[in-house]
Amino acid sequence: GAVVSQHPSRVICKSGTSVKIECRSLDFQATTMFWYRQFPKQSLMLMATSNEGSKATYEQGVEKDKFLINHASLTLSTLTVTSAHPEDSSFYICSARQEYEQYFGPGTRLTVT
Amino acid sequence: AQKITQTQPGMFVQEKEAVTLDCTYDTSDQSYGLFWYKQPSSGEMIFLIYQGSYDEQNATEGRYSLNFQKARKSANLVISASQLGDSAMYFCAMREGVLYNFNKFYFGSGTKLNVKP
Repeated sequence: GAVVSQHPSRVICKSGTSVKIECRSLDFQATTMFWYRQFPKQSLMLMATSNEGSKATYEQGVEKDKFLINHASLTLSTLTVTSAHPEDSSFYICSARQEYEQYFGPGTRLTVT
Repeated sequence: AQKITQTQPGMFVQEKEAVTLDCTYDTSDQSYGLFWYKQPSSGEMIFLIYQGSYDEQNATEGRYSLNFQKARKSANLVISASQLGDSAMYFCAMREGVLYNFNKFYFGSGTKLNVKP
């Protein structure tokens, strides 16, 4: 199956700083990528849909100025958590769509201290 | 209304026995897809099985089978001959929208499966 990578796999940052998470489709081109957030023992919540070359579509309740998404190429989407706070600590998972399937990255665990 | 409902937060099963994880869904689309994913403690989402809304036969993938009852809007996952490595969170998910241009993917709340030796 198709492979999606995320970097970094874990990141610890201080409150008030920004952190960038990369999502790459390694062996296919993805016009659409999705960003999810998962709190411990909870389900995945879709944060935004990212289409290459256009602005991301954010789900209701997700602050677009806080979670900046850039999908500059067909193989790379980035999520930047700006001015991070401890409540932003979570597991962030991206996925990339290929035809009617989506392939998940391994996730990034963000801890804000 | 919840798009995907998983009513079993946790399940126990004896090793080598079969187990059924429940999933019901809600959609008015005629074309949709149903998925099951396994998430071990490492966090990665592992695709298990897929059922399209127009598929007449239940999907099977090795020890996994999907009991698809369209009229009841249910898509239960059956794991046969459970193994210790099956212990994980299991998520049911649904894709809505045009097949090759979907932009919505809904997940259930998950079921934590524990396989006992």
